Amino acid sequence: GEEVAQTPKHLVRGEGQKAKLYCAPIKGHSYVFWYQQVLKNEFKFLISFQNENVFDETGMPKERFSAKCLPNSPCSLEIQATKLEDSAVYFCASSQYSFEAFFGQGTRLTVV
Amino acid sequence: SQQGEEDPQALSIQEGENATMNCSYKTSINNLQWYRQNSGRGLVHLILIRSNEREKHSGRLRVTLDTSKKSSSLLITASRAADTASYFCATDGRGAQKLVFGQGTRLTINP
Repeated sequence: GEEVAQTPKHLVRGEGQKAKLYCAPIKGHSYVFWYQQVLKNEFKFLISFQNENVFDETGMPKERFSAKCLPNSPCSLEIQATKLEDSAVYFCASSQYSFEAFFGQGTRLTVV
Repeated sequence: SQQGEEDPQALSIQEGENATMNCSYKTSINNLQWYRQNSGRGLVHLILIRSNEREKHSGRLRVTLDTSKKSSSLLITASRAADTASYFCATDGRGAQKLVFGQGTRLTINP
């Protein structure tokens, strides 16, 4: 597609429940990035992929967060046992060679 | 920690005036980009300037880059109400396949 598509737009989970977010990158883009934005402030880098391979996962909380980008499927970001502090907007972006990243509209996760 | 720091954190001006936002960063970069975010929505890419460029224009936008000072500025000329948004700079470092964002400047254009 011509834009990065993220689903769902909103997600509400009880503390301790699992949350799964999806991202379809722009067709032809090799790189996918996930960012977390808390309270409309800074964007925290979580993880990046080059095709289906993890490229940089230095921002991923080790214990409860995982992500995948499998061929012919949307990329996903999964949070096991959500905590209140996971409440944020999660943005996915994709890019090709130029580092001009194209962002999706985000998934707002609310943990209650 | 975030590489970029933006200044000011908030800026309020009258429609028609020019708006200038600044961004500083800490390490060597390949490129610096500016993005706009409207009210919690997705980021819109505005302009990219490479580390070997000093100035770039796009419509009402003018970006400068001073690698010796590790800083960049974004100038929006003849501001409009629709320019009201948060503006973020983002850098990608040498060998790094990720963008590191500043904390953003919240720009309000008063009619």
